Amino acid sequence: GAVVSQHPSWVICKSGTSVKIECRSLDFQATTMFWYRQFPKQSLMLMATSNEGSKATYEQGVEKDKFLINHASLTLSTLTVTSAHPEDSSFYICSARDHGTGGANEQYFGPGTRLTVT
Amino acid sequence: GEDVEQSLFLSVREGDSSVINCTYTDSSSTYLYWYKQEPGAGLQLLTYIFSNMDMKQDQRLTVLLNKKDKHLSLRIADTQTGDSAIYFCAESKTGTASKLTFGTGTRLQVTL
Repeated sequence: GAVVSQHPSWVICKSGTSVKIECRSLDFQATTMFWYRQFPKQSLMLMATSNEGSKATYEQGVEKDKFLINHASLTLSTLTVTSAHPEDSSFYICSARDHGTGGANEQYFGPGTRLTVT
Repeated sequence: GEDVEQSLFLSVREGDSSVINCTYTDSSSTYLYWYKQEPGAGLQLLTYIFSNMDMKQDQRLTVLLNKKDKHLSLRIADTQTGDSAIYFCAESKTGTASKLTFGTGTRLQVTL
């Protein structure tokens, strides 16, 4: 149980184009999903918290107009990198909190999406 | 602000025990977690401990928490080559919408 998928697993796009990454909770409902980015050999940096049916909450320094988040259902959140540039190249990881879980705030992570902008 | 620190690298021989350490600064942390990340993959939750606990054991994994010193450790008994990965500790607090603050990660290398 508690499986989270991401699609695509890797993507190469040209500078100036937009890329959409999907995050799905496969066997549980997730009212809250999180989007992280990870640079090589570094830790995860939280970008935003995605809440089903409401606007995402962005961390300080993250441009909400560049990283569009939509959480339209209890099992799907999408991150769209708009007008991507080479500095947006990174490993993007989503996680989902099981709606039915008790108080441990457990998050289950997707396998990540490697974005390369040329 | 919150700060979670780990040593960068640990090398152990197969069959030995590994101990990965983590320190954190926020005394209001409620839950502390250990995640494992294999190359090019997402994070796998290994175990977690509630802040009012001192120890938790789950098969080969033992978590020790010293709340006074804000020190968390993960011991892996009988370390195997498949345990080679990056291990992240993380903390969260009640009422912060489950936000996790991750440590810097420790790369565990298991040698034969």
